[in-house]
Amino acid sequence: ILNVEQSPQSLHVQEGDSTNFTCSFPSSNFYALHWYRWETAKSPEALFVMTLNGDEKKKGRISATLNTKEGYSYLYIKGSQPEDSATYLCASFTGGGNKLTFGTGTQLKVEL
Amino acid sequence: DADVTQTPRNRITKTGKRIMLECSQTKGHDRMYWYRQDPGLGLRLIYYSFDVKDINKGEISDGYSVSRQAQAKFSLSLESAIPNQTALYFCATRSGSRGTKQETQYFGPGTRLLVL
Repeated sequence: ILNVEQSPQSLHVQEGDSTNFTCSFPSSNFYALHWYRWETAKSPEALFVMTLNGDEKKKGRISATLNTKEGYSYLYIKGSQPEDSATYLCASFTGGGNKLTFGTGTQLKVEL
Repeated sequence: DADVTQTPRNRITKTGKRIMLECSQTKGHDRMYWYRQDPGLGLRLIYYSFDVKDINKGEISDGYSVSRQAQAKFSLSLESAIPNQTALYFCATRSGSRGTKQETQYFGPGTRLLVL
């Protein structure tokens, strides 16, 4: 994998559903993997930074895992709420951490 | 007050005009970045700076220039704007100190630019 890829591109779920998205990134020269939450008309805000293979991070109902050997990360949302509606971006730092390469994001819409 | 501010927030300009987007931060971070976001594409890096004397091109620097006037200020200029530079522009900052592998980027509110 040469670029950072996210799937699915968009997702509609019902309130209360649990969901997950995937981020694939180049595994060579891995430095760190970032997840951001981006609400419409606002700035992207950091959710997690993960650096070690097997890392698991959790913030409330949102959690993430990291596999640096195979180059993927999963973001999980348990019991989705309408306020979870946003675009979730992942980004990979490579080459010593000089710059981030972003995926195109997964747009989540949680409906009542 | 916001840690990372951008001015203007919205701008409409005409083809061929020179325009400057400004970014200021109060976080005391060394590293500053300019990105653009287009529908269907990820955030793409235009320029980045590790300190006042260290400025680097990103993946899409053609047609843009930058100036790091001080640690807290990083400006992006479009010397002669063209319609395909219509986009949402974000400034971001990050600490560059040792041991900052866990540091995230902090984004400004964005500048929406329309080039007619």
